[in-house]
Amino acid sequence: DADVTQTPRNRITKTGKRIMLECSQTKGHDRMYWYRQDPGLGLRLIYYSFDVKDINKGEISDGYSVSRQAQAKFSLSLESAIPNQTALYFCATSDLNAYNEQFFGPGTRLTVL
Amino acid sequence: AQKVTQAQTEISVVEKEDVTLDCVYETRDTTYYLFWYKQPPSGELVFLIRRNSFDEQNEISGRYSWNFQKSTSSFNFTITASQVVDSAVYFCALSELGAGANNLFFGTGTRLTVIP
Repeated sequence: DADVTQTPRNRITKTGKRIMLECSQTKGHDRMYWYRQDPGLGLRLIYYSFDVKDINKGEISDGYSVSRQAQAKFSLSLESAIPNQTALYFCATSDLNAYNEQFFGPGTRLTVL
Repeated sequence: AQKVTQAQTEISVVEKEDVTLDCVYETRDTTYYLFWYKQPPSGELVFLIRRNSFDEQNEISGRYSWNFQKSTSSFNFTITASQVVDSAVYFCALSELGAGANNLFFGTGTRLTVIP
């Protein structure tokens, strides 16, 4: 089984809808991250969490919110999706003492019409 | 300012040719880590290598090699005798331990196409 899983893997939705992307990990890592990938822009950090009580905004947090329900679960929400949020979203985890090597989930491809 | 620059947006080579992917980074930290990831057409991110700022030794892993030069702030990646399976987008990334987030700063990626 994969160490970092994301659901759904693909989602098509309409403008204005609320969407939640979920991430679960079995690696026992404290740190979790959400990134989005746009063509030609690489990956950019949306939110990160160092533990259940610690949530921090990343480079591009506007229009997104997150919830760290447990050490193993970190969800990303789009309260009112818009077309320019169409992207590939990655969840990642890292261990506190592991040089910030991050382990990525398989990605969620989100399309907002 | 862009912390990681991958100036080559796309590269095409014929199978069995060698190819070098460039990565230039910018940081004021003395302790940092550099990474390369591969993203094949299927979309997942595959970790290739991590290098810390105190280790400038070049590394070779099979057909892959990495050249880390602090003097030029570069961490270049060479594929020898390229194969079609090497076709992917390759990302260079930087992690600064001095920053609060310890997150990864990614370059914009280089799309490599290996032509059979």
